[in-house]
Amino acid sequence: QVQLQQSGPGLVKPSQTLSLTCAISGDSVSSNSATWNWIRQSPSRGLEWLGRTYYRSKWYNDYAVSLKSRITINPDTSKNQFSLQLNFVTPDDTAVYYCARGNCGTTSCWGFDYWGQGTRVTVSS
Amino acid sequence: QSALTQPPSASGSPGQSVTISCTGTRSDVGGYNYVSWYQQHPGKAPKLMIFEVSKRPSGVPDRFSGSKSGNTASLTVSGLQAEDEADYYCNSYAGSNNFVVFGGGTKLTVL
Repeated sequence: QVQLQQSGPGLVKPSQTLSLTCAISGDSVSSNSATWNWIRQSPSRGLEWLGRTYYRSKWYNDYAVSLKSRITINPDTSKNQFSLQLNFVTPDDTAVYYCARGNCGTTSCWGFDYWGQGTRVTVSS
Repeated sequence: QSALTQPPSASGSPGQSVTISCTGTRSDVGGYNYVSWYQQHPGKAPKLMIFEVSKRPSGVPDRFSGSKSGNTASLTVSGLQAEDEADYYCNSYAGSNNFVVFGGGTKLTVL
């Protein structure tokens, strides 16, 4: 059974960096059939895909166009986890952040079959 | 504002069927068979119910079905049960620039 366990602070100051981690159990961040995604949800924006990392003989990243200048998603193979960094945050980045797996082998790269528990992040001074 | 359009609410009585629509464009819903549907109960993470328009992951009851016509995808819940009351979201692959877009969600009420 795949489990995704999120960790990270719930409060970030404006202009600082939001950092979250998603620890994977039951699968590997280096899997050749999975993608590892970050998605956020807020009342104003609804659900919004932020980006992903995945391994296909080498590491790849894709990011939402609107965030490309501020976002980094990195795998950590030693800890079997992946992380999200969002720079220069504003109150508009306040949301519940989720990590999620895209299962290209069984379901769909774009149907996210396992999700973390969510982390409510507030951007405020 | 979400890229895909869903009705804000839908309702039905136990045992009835309800269909929720998800309208996009030919750049997303209409262009690819990569529409998924999610169920979300309050305070919980979304749960995948349908992928690739009409396929069900293991463990999802066959009361849930999906379809697509043109730029509009649909989720049908048959034989409504109390536990089906939740928010439902669609998403679609939108090409190698935008990747993934979501709908704004539909609150399903079981009367």
